[in-house]
Amino acid sequence: SQQGEEDPQALSIQEGENATMNCSYKTSINNLQWYRQNSGRGLVHLILIRSNEREKHSGRLRVTLDTSKKSSSLLITASRAADTASYFCATDAIETGRRALTFGSGTRLQVQP
Amino acid sequence: EPEVTQTPSHQVTQMGQEVILRCVPISNHLYFYWYRQILGQKVEFLVSFYNNEISEKSEIFDDQFSVERPDGSNFTLKIRSTKLEDSAMYFCASTRLSSQTYNEQFFGPGTRLTVL
Repeated sequence: SQQGEEDPQALSIQEGENATMNCSYKTSINNLQWYRQNSGRGLVHLILIRSNEREKHSGRLRVTLDTSKKSSSLLITASRAADTASYFCATDAIETGRRALTFGSGTRLQVQP
Repeated sequence: EPEVTQTPSHQVTQMGQEVILRCVPISNHLYFYWYRQILGQKVEFLVSFYNNEISEKSEIFDDQFSVERPDGSNFTLKIRSTKLEDSAMYFCASTRLSSQTYNEQFFGPGTRLTVL
């Protein structure tokens, strides 16, 4: 898979359920960020996790990072219809000079009311 | 809350014409970026800019592209002679610090460029 690949590609759940999205990457990273994008709109920054962190929380979001498996997961708890969007992970290798983000293909989340 | 702004929101141009996309990064941010997203595809990095010079660029960022910070607040992307394949959403982003570990990038709403 390419750097920053999410799975599943699409996820449909009912309001109130939890949504889990996964991201895998191939090369060493320093930071991994998750972004949300509503259809045709801009990218909204959700959370950043550093390579020396294993888990981070922000409101209903929980992000984990496993550098040994080169993977991350984003959990949205108690989902709402307004969470319907595409979710992307993006990585950098800032300590080796790569500040530019490499994005994955994204997971399209549909939350049914 | 401060945010990155971009103008115009939608630009339609004829093939071969020059376009300038404008961005106002968050005021105390030091690193600036342009990314693009072709419809249905991944977001791709174009170029980063720090201390009035290009810091990194991708293979997409060829001689047809240039960036400038003309007045201390605006950050522009110029495409000299647009091609059909330049049609995409162009995002500007900025980062607060130049530290080696902090790289939280905040994106603008994007400019949708349509080349006819």
